[in-house]
This record gives sequence, structure tokens and C-alpha cells, in this order.
Amino acid sequence: EAGVAQSPRYKIIEKRQSVAFWCNPISGHATLYWYQQILGQGPKLLIQFQNNGVVDDSQLPKDRFSAERLKGVDSTLKIQPAKLEDSAVYLCASSLESSGNTIYFGEGSWLTVV
Amino acid sequence: GNSVTQMEGPVTLSEEAFLTINCTYTATGYPSLFWYVQYPGEGLQLLLKATKADDKGSNKGFEATYRKETTSFHLEKGSVQVSDSAVYFCALSGTGGFKTIFGAGTRLFVKA
Repeated sequence: EAGVAQSPRYKIIEKRQSVAFWCNPISGHATLYWYQQILGQGPKLLIQFQNNGVVDDSQLPKDRFSAERLKGVDSTLKIQPAKLEDSAVYLCASSLESSGNTIYFGEGSWLTVV
Repeated sequence: GNSVTQMEGPVTLSEEAFLTINCTYTATGYPSLFWYVQYPGEGLQLLLKATKADDKGSNKGFEATYRKETTSFHLEKGSVQVSDSAVYFCALSGTGGFKTIFGAGTRLFVKA
């Protein structure tokens, strides 16, 4: 079974520029997550989708971050404009359902803002 | 609110030493508990889980028991290997819109 796919793996941008990350979850997984992991910390949930609807985006900085999951499959996370503190690994993950299930993570997209 | 607290690292051990990484939680209801592991340069992957009180999760020589009375889910391994060097995350999740919450992670270094 194919895992969660993410791209690009690495990105370096200047502050105030924009960046987009793409994610394709495991086939059949209804729930898709975007997490931000800052070096030395645990993953912080940015947004959670159930099919193509948003379940939780309470920690998403909506003035600069946006995410969509068209057709309930793959998803894009965008940052515009980027700030230095956005330097982190952006982890996409998926699970069969939204509660109590194992979450399967992609390898992450490493963002450095300079 | 719901939370997970795990011991701070880094933890440095010699090969074949006994490992314990403490994890305690605060939650309403009956969450499922997880340990995830993150090897260098990789995403997180499930190590083991337990879905109800007194359940023991186990995998690759690692074990953790869901202790409701002490709200704990400590990770243990009898004899660590160099290849176990990684960051370990304790997490909880539940039903009814209970989102998954991760601890801050504990980095383990195992020396040959």
C-alpha cells in the first residue's frame, strides 16, 4: 500500500514570498491532516479535513496560511507571505476516520525561510 | 483541556541498556494512547498503541501499558540498540471530535 506522498521535500524561500505544499493521502483515508513541526517540538495540528470539509482549523494562522482539499483526496497548503518563524517541517498525514485511529504521516516538507 | 506530558530529553543510553520514557496525560473520557517514533529525516510512524485501560501495546521489543489509575503510558524496552536512536512522541486521541494531541517528544541516543 502506498504511503502518504508529499512534495516538495525541501524548500528555501525569502521572507514575504509564497510557497505551496502538496499532499496525497493513503487511498481510502477520509481524514487528512496538516501539522507544523518546529525543530525540537512535537507536531502541532494546523488543519484537519474530513473528506473535503474542514473539521478543525483553530490553530491555522488564517492571515497567511490557507489549505484546501478539493474532491476529498489530495490537498494543498499555502503560505503567503512567509515569515521567518514559519521555518519548520510541514507534515501531511491521513487516517481512516478522525478519532482514535492510527495516523499515517508523510516524510514531510522542510521549509526554510531566510 | 486534554494534554500529554512526556519526559524531557535527550536520553543517552549504552547499547543493551533498559529504556523508560515517561508519558502522562490529561483527558476527559477514554482516549486511545499511542507512541510514535521519528527517525532522522523521516516522518512520524506508529510504534504501538493501546485503546483501553490495562491494554498493553507492543512492537519491536517496545512495550507500554495503558494505566488509567495513574493516567500514564510509559514506553519501555529491555535492551536498546543503536538503531533505536530516534525521537519518540506520546499521543492521545479519542472519539467525539477529540483531536490527536502529541507530546513534545523525547530524543533517544544509543551509544555502541
